[in-house]
Amino acid sequence: GDSVTQMEGPVTLSEEAFLTINCTYTATGYPSLFWYVQYPGEGLQLLLKATKADDKGSNKGFEATYRKETTSFHLEKGSVQVSDSAVYFCALRGGGADGLTFGKGTHLIIQP
Amino acid sequence: GAVVSQHPSWVICKSGTSVKIECRSLDFQATTMFWYRQFPKQSLMLMATSNEGSKATYEQGVEKDKFLINHASLTLSTLTVTSAHPEDSSFYICSVPKGTEAFFGQGTRLTVV
Repeated sequence: GDSVTQMEGPVTLSEEAFLTINCTYTATGYPSLFWYVQYPGEGLQLLLKATKADDKGSNKGFEATYRKETTSFHLEKGSVQVSDSAVYFCALRGGGADGLTFGKGTHLIIQP
Repeated sequence: GAVVSQHPSWVICKSGTSVKIECRSLDFQATTMFWYRQFPKQSLMLMATSNEGSKATYEQGVEKDKFLINHASLTLSTLTVTSAHPEDSSFYICSVPKGTEAFFGQGTRLTVV
């Protein structure tokens, strides 16, 4: 079945540091890929998405590129802020009627 | 997008009682809704797919008699945790798919004491 693997946390960085959170997947066909963010005490919010190979999703300074050849969708940000502290989930969706398959989540801590 | 409202946001119940969680799609008619469960510091696990007007589809290992799902209309799905026990304490989240995206409710923190 489908699966998503993302780097374990917590990841602790200083403010303005460069961020990469790795995500790789296994799926049949051509899934859509997502990054969701969960701030403390809140539900999930869509951060960005990509629906086909080589698409780049971007939002709030975060970017991720759908790499079919490496089955990856790594999340990057050039300069993180304290307000980016949250749990980040990589996810895929195989088909229109399917639920999402999530990675285990990466807890990101940004220190001032 | 789609606005998804989940209620209650948190609930504490006694062991052996039942708890109902509602998930409403406020601006979009949803023939399908998903229910997830999230354990502390872990990922979301899909529990079941709620289908309007028909039986829910449960993931392997999820007890359908314990987690009753009803999708009576295009805007409402309910999850009832029956005879709750402390091990059922968790964060439950519903989701509405729309196009290639999924929109999530705020989640319900269930604590069984």
